[in-house]
Order: sequence, then C-alpha cells, then structure tokens
Amino acid sequence: EAEVAQSPRYKITEKSQAVAFWCDPISGHATLYWYRQILGQGPELLVQFQDESVVDDSQLPKDRFSAERLKGVDSTLKIQPAELGDSAMYLCASSLSGRAENEQFFGPGTRLTVL
Amino acid sequence: AQSVTQPDIHITVSEGASLELRCNYSYGATPYLFWYVQSPGQGLQLLLKYFSGDTLVQGIKGFEAEFKRSQSSFNLRKPSVHWSDAAEYFCAVGTNDYKLSFGAGTTVTVRA
Repeated sequence: EAEVAQSPRYKITEKSQAVAFWCDPISGHATLYWYRQILGQGPELLVQFQDESVVDDSQLPKDRFSAERLKGVDSTLKIQPAELGDSAMYLCASSLSGRAENEQFFGPGTRLTVL
Repeated sequence: AQSVTQPDIHITVSEGASLELRCNYSYGATPYLFWYVQSPGQGLQLLLKYFSGDTLVQGIKGFEAEFKRSQSSFNLRKPSVHWSDAAEYFCAVGTNDYKLSFGAGTTVTVRA
C-alpha cells in the first residue's frame, strides 16, 4: 500500500541551528500539507501545496520557516534558525486534490527536539 | 472561524467495554467531519468521515460515529474495545476552503 514517506524520523538540534525535513507524498497526489503538532495538541496546518504552488501559508512563521515543492512531487520544510519553541512533531500529508472530501494520508512524522 | 472541542483529555476503559469519545464543532456551514487515530510514534490514520446523508457513519476497526446537527456533535463509538485501540484520537472539521482543523485529541488507555 502506498504511503507518505518522511525523513528523518527524529532530529535533535541546538537552538539557532538550521534543520530540514523531507516528505515524499503518495504518487499522483497533487496536494501536500505540512502540519506541526505540539505535544498534547492536535495538528496545525503550516503550509499547503497544490502541485508546486503554495495555496496557503498563512500560519507559517515566514521569518524562520520555509517550504518548497519544486517539481510538484516531494517537499522540504526548513527552519532557520531553530528556536526552543519549535520542538514538536512535523507531519506531512497528501491527498489526491485539495477538496475537503479527499482523504489526507499522513506520514509517520519527524519528531524535532531543540535544545 | 471553525473550531473543534474534545472535552475529554484522557479516557481509561476496560478491554471489552464500550467506548465513546466526544467531539463538538463550531462552523457556520455544513461541516465535513473526520475522526483520526494516532498510535504512538505514528502518523494519523483516518477512521471515518461524514459529508452528508446518513448521520450514522461506519468506519474501520469497528468504529462508528453519529452526526447530530442540533448538538453540533460528532461522537465516536465502539461497542467493544480491544487492547490495540489504545491510542490518541482526533476529531477534525473540514471547511469549504479545504482546510482541516483538529481538536486537541483524546488519549485512550485500555486496561486488561
């Protein structure tokens, strides 16, 4: 069964360092999402791509976060510089299209710890 | 703006007993409603979804949920819980602009 792949699964870094996360969505899925899940909370959308274009990045802290999906397939989320408050699980999801009725399939996530 | 409330942070249930998880939403239009499950260290898996039609929705793993418009609720139920159902459960509302808003989640512990 096709799955959303993410790497690394775990990342420990010191504050002020740069980190990057990678996501490979299910083949054929046009829409890709990055979520941040703080411990004890539900996921919050950071950015949504439709193919290679950003559809929504209103919740992305653009002073330190950036996301790209250059060829409309895999995607990278970067944080520079990392802050203590960035410690969280970063989840990637994909769906056939951005329509609400299309199921979002989630990857296993990247657990980030900032020291 | 839409929002989801899951009033129970943590529920403990005995194996074989029934389970009900509460979810209340706030959204001005007809919502799309979802329940996801997250096992430790894993991503989220869709259990079931409601868009329209029959207000009682059947999902995977023996779960069902009932949409009650008058109460703005979408509670999840399972008649008999298995130890493998121990996980965190998230209710979510999808809006017309294709966004998902999640509740804070309910952690389910199953005791033998």
